[in-house]
Amino acid sequence: AQSVTQLGSHVSVSEGALVLLRCNYSSSVPPYLFWYVQYPNQGLQLLLKYTSAATLVKGINGFEAEFKKSETSFHLTKPSAHMSDAAEYFCAVSETSGTYKYIFGTGTRLKVLA
Amino acid sequence: DGGITQSPKYLFRKEGQNVTLSCEQNLNHDAMYWYRQDPGQGLRLIYYSQIVNDFQKGDIAEGYSVSREKKESFPLTVTSAQKNPTAFYLCASSIYGRVMNTEAFFGQGTRLTVV
Repeated sequence: AQSVTQLGSHVSVSEGALVLLRCNYSSSVPPYLFWYVQYPNQGLQLLLKYTSAATLVKGINGFEAEFKKSETSFHLTKPSAHMSDAAEYFCAVSETSGTYKYIFGTGTRLKVLA
Repeated sequence: DGGITQSPKYLFRKEGQNVTLSCEQNLNHDAMYWYRQDPGQGLRLIYYSQIVNDFQKGDIAEGYSVSREKKESFPLTVTSAQKNPTAFYLCASSIYGRVMNTEAFFGQGTRLTVV
């Protein structure tokens, strides 16, 4: 079965600093990978997705992620953090081995310090 | 506007009661999902449906039931058999039931509290 692991349940960065949120996947077949953002008491919003067209994926709000097959990683980055980026971020993989469902990581809560 | 509507936003349940959470989508999506969210545990799949009149158990289906009689609707019932129902519940949909290179769209969630 496919799975994702998010390293670091909490990450703090200063405003203007680089944001790096880590996600590693486990999959025996080429995966479809997603990053979502969640603000308090709201649903999840898609930031970006990897579907094998390009290894560097650009998303909304200045975020991007790079698919690295050799490292089984799909880390999320943003060059300069903004206060409005404070939220919880989830990495997800879609399972295509017959059950067709989305599997989510445990999430990383990003705090942006003024 | 197309989207997924969950209602109510907040729900209080007494011990021993069944409650039903509503999820409606007007995106014409085939697949729908219910997730439970608890702090530090991410999203855990309760039930999912790839097509009308068919659904499958997820990882934590015990104490929950669903129906999929219409394409646009996927209500979740939290039964009295669910011993710890206090959580944030998220409904999602995706365009296809079997092609998974497309993303899931989420509703705004229902926060269920046992009183």
